[in-house]
Amino acid sequence: GQNIDQPTEMTATEGAIVQINCTYQTSGFNGLFWYQQHAGEAPTFLSYNVLDGLEEKGRFSSFLSRSKGYSYLLLKELQMKDSASYLCAARTDSWGKLQFGAGTQVVVTP
Amino acid sequence: GAVVSQHPSRVICKSGTSVKIECRSLDFQATTMFWYRQFPKQSLMLMATSNEGSKATYEQGVEKDKFLINHASLTLSTLTVTSAHPEDSSFYICSARLAGHTVETQYFGPGTRLLVL
Repeated sequence: GQNIDQPTEMTATEGAIVQINCTYQTSGFNGLFWYQQHAGEAPTFLSYNVLDGLEEKGRFSSFLSRSKGYSYLLLKELQMKDSASYLCAARTDSWGKLQFGAGTQVVVTP
Repeated sequence: GAVVSQHPSRVICKSGTSVKIECRSLDFQATTMFWYRQFPKQSLMLMATSNEGSKATYEQGVEKDKFLINHASLTLSTLTVTSAHPEDSSFYICSARLAGHTVETQYFGPGTRLLVL
């Protein structure tokens, strides 16, 4: 079956670092996406990893280990506007079909 | 990034009526588009994969006769919810796949909030 797990909620203070872990077990795998979603809005693309290793993009970094079925999203220098749900999604076929995790609600406090 | 639009952004309809939602990729051609549904405080659930010029592929449990998908061009896919019922009330989101030699991502539309009375 398909299974994508990520924590339900994480809280951190402004300026801190937060790491959101995601583990996946899917019948097919062609890469791992991270999206940010604010309440009532559509997801916005953050990162895509297909090879093992760390991809850094400004304050956000994403890591993938295919052998471990594991990824994380690292958010540095947290800002209040980073309060949102972060969705981990595995691409499960060559057409681009995505299987989403339930999302991790990140709450940034002053 | 690339832009995907959806229309309408919000719709309220009576039970038993049909509602059409349009999804357009504005600055790129998308051979593949996806339709998702999201209930409050839940994650996105894929409903169907829409390929230009061919029949859509539906996920298990999604009724193809109820959720009609048409992908008539490389920039437009439509989802029609036929004979809508209150349980169909949800946030419907489309995405369009941008693929190239070094690029692989999906861009989401802003979503359509459907309320069936």
